[in-house]
Amino acid sequence: DIVMTQSPDSLAVSLGERATINCKSSQSVLYNSNNKNYLAWYQQKPGQPPKLLIYWASIRESGVPDRFSGSGSGTDFTLTITSLQAEDVAVYYCQQYYRTPLTFGGGTKVEIK
Amino acid sequence: QVQLQESGPGLMKPSETLSLICSVSDDSISGYYWSWIRQPAGKGLEWIGHIYSSGSTNYNPSLKSRVTMSVDTSKKEFSLKLSSVTAADSAVYYCARSTTVISWFDPWGQGTLVTVSS
Repeated sequence: DIVMTQSPDSLAVSLGERATINCKSSQSVLYNSNNKNYLAWYQQKPGQPPKLLIYWASIRESGVPDRFSGSGSGTDFTLTITSLQAEDVAVYYCQQYYRTPLTFGGGTKVEIK
Repeated sequence: QVQLQESGPGLMKPSETLSLICSVSDDSISGYYWSWIRQPAGKGLEWIGHIYSSGSTNYNPSLKSRVTMSVDTSKKEFSLKLSSVTAADSAVYYCARSTTVISWFDPWGQGTLVTVSS
């Protein structure tokens, strides 16, 4: 299985400041034939299902605010929230879809400082 | 936008077989992959497996011996059976859609809580 490791487990950021979440895969999720990284990011608020934010490591889902951005390639990825808003308080998960079994990172909890 | 709705027993006893159904709101069940994902309280997400609208399946090896998925396109629903449950199977169970065999999940159902307790 591809193991996804997120860091930090939690972080507290002031409103309007930047939040950076890291995700590392145990093997590359870059498919060389199409040069795409098989990596998605989700946001989960309390009592709600996860919501897709980003796929192909950097493509924002329709309707997702542009303060959310994804970057990285191979085994190391980052989700950045520029100018954190109160409604961004949530747990964020990365997920690889390079191969089955599909696996998720352990999650990063983002709170307001 | 398609909507998914899980339904299930809520409370179960150890050794029983869990049965869940996911209802799909529109006629889009054909041509997609339909997954089950679970989340124990306060913990992360685990993919259980998926079924294609044709009925082909792919299960997580960690659960494969206990999992059976099926689909009924005429009823616009798919189902999960998990046998010999224990307390470790207590979780919120989500259904979700994917466009290809290896893909992200979107949308998700609201989830249904299953508690296994004697």
